[in-house]
Amino acid sequence: NAGVTQTPKFRILKIGQSMTLQCTQDMNHNYMYWYRQDPGMGLKLIYYSVGAGITDKGEVPNGYNVSRSTTEDFPLRLELAAPSQTSVYFCASSSDRRNYGYTFGSGTRLTVV
Amino acid sequence: KQEVTQIPAALSVPEGENLVLNCSFTDSAIYNLQWFRQDPGKGLTSLLLIQSSQREQTSGRLNASLDKSSGRSTLYIAASQPGDSATYLCAWPRIGSARQLTFGSGTQLTVLP
Repeated sequence: NAGVTQTPKFRILKIGQSMTLQCTQDMNHNYMYWYRQDPGMGLKLIYYSVGAGITDKGEVPNGYNVSRSTTEDFPLRLELAAPSQTSVYFCASSSDRRNYGYTFGSGTRLTVV
Repeated sequence: KQEVTQIPAALSVPEGENLVLNCSFTDSAIYNLQWFRQDPGKGLTSLLLIQSSQREQTSGRLNASLDKSSGRSTLYIAASQPGDSATYLCAWPRIGSARQLTFGSGTQLTVLP
């Protein structure tokens, strides 16, 4: 089972560039999430989706956009990259059953220079 | 805003010791609480999920307890091994949402051979 797959694993961007972080899951989960983790800190929610065609903002959405055209895919778009977006990004998914746990991807380490 | 405190921030113990990691939260209105393990440069692995109606969960050498009235959860690791070295995170769904997790900043555990 692949679980949650993220690409790329590493990326260096120049200030002002844009990129898309890819996330796909094969567990037919309705709920998907994007988190960022800054060094020595916990994870903060960027965006989430409760199903295809439905997305909403999390705690730190500024500078990011998402889409959810299929159940499997939940890409995260960075527009006009800034040094403050240097972080590790994690995609996760969960069943819509009330007490179901999360499955995380292995992360994308992004550096903006 | 929910606050998630994990104490200690770092812990170093000799192999074979039993240890307790603490997670404190300020709101008792939670649906469940999940403990994760994060290895350096890796994603998050779910260790234990405690539903709000439960008081504890066990998996192998791990035991997690939940006391909503006091706003505390503990993760007990028995007979620690060097392979247990990692960062341990507690998390639970944010207020008003059954799906968005709020994370603590974690406890970095080192088990010395």
